[in-house]
Amino acid sequence: GIQVEQSPPDLILQEGANSTLRCNFSDSVNNLQWFHQNPWGQLINLFYIPSGTKQNGRLSATTVATERYSLLYISSSQTTDSGVYFCAGPQGGSEKLVFGKGTKLTVNP
Amino acid sequence: DAGITQSPRHKVTETGTPVTLRCHQTENHRYMYWYRQDPGHGLRLIHYSYGVKDTDKGEVSDGYSVSRSKTEDFLLTLESATSSQTSVYFCAMGRTGYEQYFGPGTRLTVT
Repeated sequence: GIQVEQSPPDLILQEGANSTLRCNFSDSVNNLQWFHQNPWGQLINLFYIPSGTKQNGRLSATTVATERYSLLYISSSQTTDSGVYFCAGPQGGSEKLVFGKGTKLTVNP
Repeated sequence: DAGITQSPRHKVTETGTPVTLRCHQTENHRYMYWYRQDPGHGLRLIHYSYGVKDTDKGEVSDGYSVSRSKTEDFLLTLESATSSQTSVYFCAMGRTGYEQYFGPGTRLTVT
């Protein structure tokens, strides 16, 4: 099945810094999601982005399906951005998602 | 996410006892999923449902069963709980299988 790799595994930033998180897939994907798991454990849907670029406030995501990767950009980071960021793509043509191991982001004040 | 709840939120049980976790959604979504999250393993799919009474296995389905008798409810049962099933369990829903929204999670401890 599809393999999902995220990098970096850990990232520590000062408040106000920008960052880029990457998600690589072993096979082409036509659907992709980014999630944020906050320090309380809640999983929040950030983007559903099969291709192209989407923006939501300080966050934006770009997926290049033909090259099998997606990027999540966080600008002017805040302490509330801390947590783990996951990307996930469909397994084959199924309705099942395969998740990466996540990037743990810590934003210090 | 709004429109999806899980119960109980926390449970401690003994090895060998049956346990049922409930997921309830109010969005009339077709797809529902059960995942477990463990350190070092991320999120792994246990079972999913693509309609009432239609279910299929995920990658870690051994020791778990599910039922979906109504669109809004998806039950996960551990027939005889083991310590290896100590985990955080998440339910998710989706109008399609490609865009999923998660419940708040259930922390299960098997002693």
